[in-house]
Amino acid sequence: DTGVSQNPRHKITKRGQNVTFRCDPISEHNRLYWYRQTLGQGPEFLTYFQNEAQLEKSRLLSDRFSAERPKGSFSTLEIQRTEQGDSAMYLCASSLDRVAKNIQYFGAGTRLSVL
Amino acid sequence: AQTVTQSQPEMSVQEAETVTLSCTYDTSESDYYLFWYKQPPSRQMILVIRQEAYKQQNATENRFSVNFQKAAKSFSLKISDSQLGDAAMYFCAYRSFPRDDKIIFGKGTRLHILP
Repeated sequence: DTGVSQNPRHKITKRGQNVTFRCDPISEHNRLYWYRQTLGQGPEFLTYFQNEAQLEKSRLLSDRFSAERPKGSFSTLEIQRTEQGDSAMYLCASSLDRVAKNIQYFGAGTRLSVL
Repeated sequence: AQTVTQSQPEMSVQEAETVTLSCTYDTSESDYYLFWYKQPPSRQMILVIRQEAYKQQNATENRFSVNFQKAAKSFSLKISDSQLGDAAMYFCAYRSFPRDDKIIFGKGTRLHILP
């Protein structure tokens, strides 16, 4: 069990560019979550998947954001036409809903800086 | 909507001493989970302790314990025998049960351990 893996760890981009982040959950975890954490704040929920189905999206997830989990394993989060307000830490978590505790395990995050 | 409030942005404690971090929350639900997560600098967030709302007994995990006051909607974390490795951001968090899976976080408390 290698834990939740996120790549890249850091991303610097210019305003208007598109960026894509990847999350590899813990093996066999069927649920995958994306959160955003801005400076001085706690993480805020963006969206989550059960297997390949996207079950919930936050209002924070504007039309410029899209998340996929095509085969129910890894997930990608794409931000189109980035804005300076998108600068944040993007956290991924995974869990297994077939156990009673259903604990979410977090990755180390991808820090996005939009110049 | 559920909210989580942490009123202490920063706290300091002498090594080997005991410290209590405060958290209040607001919900109209009767069943839910409460968590304390630890986020060390530049490292992934890990679960410290979890409390099910239907359990009256306060959860404990080694040096970590909680004081759960359901009527007052209060959920504090006590760290005994503080160690240098306890230095981190601590987030209080809420999750509905059983229908909702997203976690709602407070803004966090940064804990400094003084040698």
